[in-house]
Amino acid sequence: KQEVTQIPAALSVPEGENLVLNCSFTDSAIYNLQWFRQDPGKGLTSLLLIQSSQREQTSGRLNASLDKSSGRSTLYIAASQPGDSATYLCAVILASKLTFGTGTRLQVTL
Amino acid sequence: KAGVTQTPRYLIKTRGQQVTLSCSPISGHRSVSWYQQTPGQGLQFLFEYFSETQRNKGNFPGRFSGRQFSNSRSEMNVSTLELGDSALYLCASSPGAVLSNYGYTFGSGTRLTVV
Repeated sequence: KQEVTQIPAALSVPEGENLVLNCSFTDSAIYNLQWFRQDPGKGLTSLLLIQSSQREQTSGRLNASLDKSSGRSTLYIAASQPGDSATYLCAVILASKLTFGTGTRLQVTL
Repeated sequence: KAGVTQTPRYLIKTRGQQVTLSCSPISGHRSVSWYQQTPGQGLQFLFEYFSETQRNKGNFPGRFSGRQFSNSRSEMNVSTLELGDSALYLCASSPGAVLSNYGYTFGSGTRLTVV
């Protein structure tokens, strides 16, 4: 059974800091991996999709990497802003099913 | 391009009742998946429909069922509601190929409260 863990569970940083969120999964037989953010009480907003043939994907201040052999993905956020405050979730994708991590709750303070 | 639409946004039901939730995927997407989110269990996969057929199913009791219509809209039904069914129910839309290089787009969810 696939298990996905995210570390840290919560993180508070001052505005402007660069930060790294970690995602690890137990079964490397995944197809793609997708990162999402979720604001309180809301749905999921897709941030980045790393396809099976890729090792990295970038969008603006966000960069995500994937190492399937070691069962790890990282999400790097550059120059964090208060608007980045949210819960970040990684999801591994296989056979039309997403298995989600436990999430990292990020707070960026002024 | 319209996103994923879930209705209703909020529902309050009594134990023992049944409820139906609706999801309209992005135009052209043929796959609709359903997830339950609770504080204790996180996000859990319920089932996935593709071209009106259930293609994948999670570990939920038979009280949870779904269907998909020819226009790809999907409904999820929960019968004999229990207090533990209180959750945010999220629907995800994707083009549909199993080995797809497209990601998933989620709706805003339906918040179900069982009293």
